[in-house]
Amino acid sequence: AQSVAQPEDQVNVAEGNPLTVKCTYSVSGNPYLFWYVQYPNRGLQFLLKYITGDNLVKGSYGFEAEFNKSQTSFHLKKPSALVSDSALYFCAVRDMVGGDSNYQLIWGAGTKLIIKP
Amino acid sequence: GAVVSQHPSWVICKSGTSVKIECRSLDFQATTMFWYRQFPKQSLMLMATSNEGSKATYEQGVEKDKFLINHASLTLSTLTVTSAHPEDSSFYICSARDRGLAGDVWGRYNEQFFGPGTRLTVL
Repeated sequence: AQSVAQPEDQVNVAEGNPLTVKCTYSVSGNPYLFWYVQYPNRGLQFLLKYITGDNLVKGSYGFEAEFNKSQTSFHLKKPSALVSDSALYFCAVRDMVGGDSNYQLIWGAGTKLIIKP
Repeated sequence: GAVVSQHPSWVICKSGTSVKIECRSLDFQATTMFWYRQFPKQSLMLMATSNEGSKATYEQGVEKDKFLINHASLTLSTLTVTSAHPEDSSFYICSARDRGLAGDVWGRYNEQFFGPGTRLTVL
């Protein structure tokens, strides 16, 4: 069964320090991986995706993620955290069963990122 | 581009009434829309997948007669919570997938664009 795990419920980082939000996945075949961010009482915003190509994917707001096939991971990173980065972050993988015409996203449980001034 | 709106953004209703939530893709066509439910401090729970012009596909455990979904056009899907009860209070989020070009691996086709959510409170 396909699944996504975000092992940390919460990550605390001091402003200006690098941050990492972890995500591991389990899929059959090549994964399509996504990161989304959710601010309080708001919908989700797309950050970045990996489908194929370079293992280091750059996304919105200075975030990047590294795809590691051997470790089945897709950790989200940012070199220097901002207080405004505080939010809920979700990792997701595309369900490969449905094919191109009808697929779903399988979601991780979410990680609350808190950046302290 | 790729903006999805939801209306209303929040609603308070009495127990037993029905509430309709609209999800619109404003600048693209969405063959498929998804309805999620999110409880406080929890991840998204997919309720149903809505395909334009056909019946929605509901996830296991979701009552199709209680959560009516209509996807009448390529830019609009509605979720109606019928005979709402306090336990239906939640944050409902829709997303839409750009119809785009099939196989457009690098483009928007594999992304879901999310609405801002609707906070439903049933008294």
